[in-house]
Amino acid sequence: AQKITQTQPGMFVQEKEAVTLDCTYDTSDPSYGLFWYKQPSSGEMIFLIYQGSYDQQNATEGRYSLNFQKARKSANLVISASQLGDSAMYFCAMREGSGGYNKLIFGAGTRLAVHP
Amino acid sequence: KAGVTQTPRYLIKTRGQQVTLSCSPISGHRSVSWYQQTPGQGLQFLFEYFSETQRNKGNFPGRFSGRQFSNSRSEMNVSTLELGDSALYLCASSPDPGLAGGRRETQYFGPGTRLLVL
Repeated sequence: AQKITQTQPGMFVQEKEAVTLDCTYDTSDPSYGLFWYKQPSSGEMIFLIYQGSYDQQNATEGRYSLNFQKARKSANLVISASQLGDSAMYFCAMREGSGGYNKLIFGAGTRLAVHP
Repeated sequence: KAGVTQTPRYLIKTRGQQVTLSCSPISGHRSVSWYQQTPGQGLQFLFEYFSETQRNKGNFPGRFSGRQFSNSRSEMNVSTLELGDSALYLCASSPDPGLAGGRRETQYFGPGTRLLVL
């Protein structure tokens, strides 16, 4: 069964430093997509970055990059140059390609706190 | 382009009542998905609608239902509310039906409706 695991309930980082949030996944479908979302205290889920299972290169979006290791089934989010506004919950999610349509499976999330 | 809107933003109900939540997707998006977020269970998929048809359904009891209108707006209904239904209900829209192949169509979420059942 498809599953997303985020093993870090909470993380702390100093402002301007880089931080890596871990995500491992489990699926038997060779076609899938991996997403990272940010959820501030307001509740809205903000899309950050996407990685497709067939993408040859790791995805990058501004200060966000995804360290995709397919053989290990991991898709870690790297935030460079952390900012105070990065403090939020971060969720890793997966969508299976074959018939998964738009059903996302989410991990439990990691709460990131950025300190000045 | 306006984002996903959800109404109401906050709601207080009592056990046994029913509730209807509304979601207006981004203009041009035809897929609407609903999720429930609770501290205990995290984010769970409820169902997805595309072109007025429910295309996928999560593992929730029949008290949870939804529909989609011809303008892609969607509503979800919860009947006979229970205390455990207290949650943040998130709606997400996507421009594409999410075809097989792991394509990069992204779901864009609304601000959510916070439901408290007393």
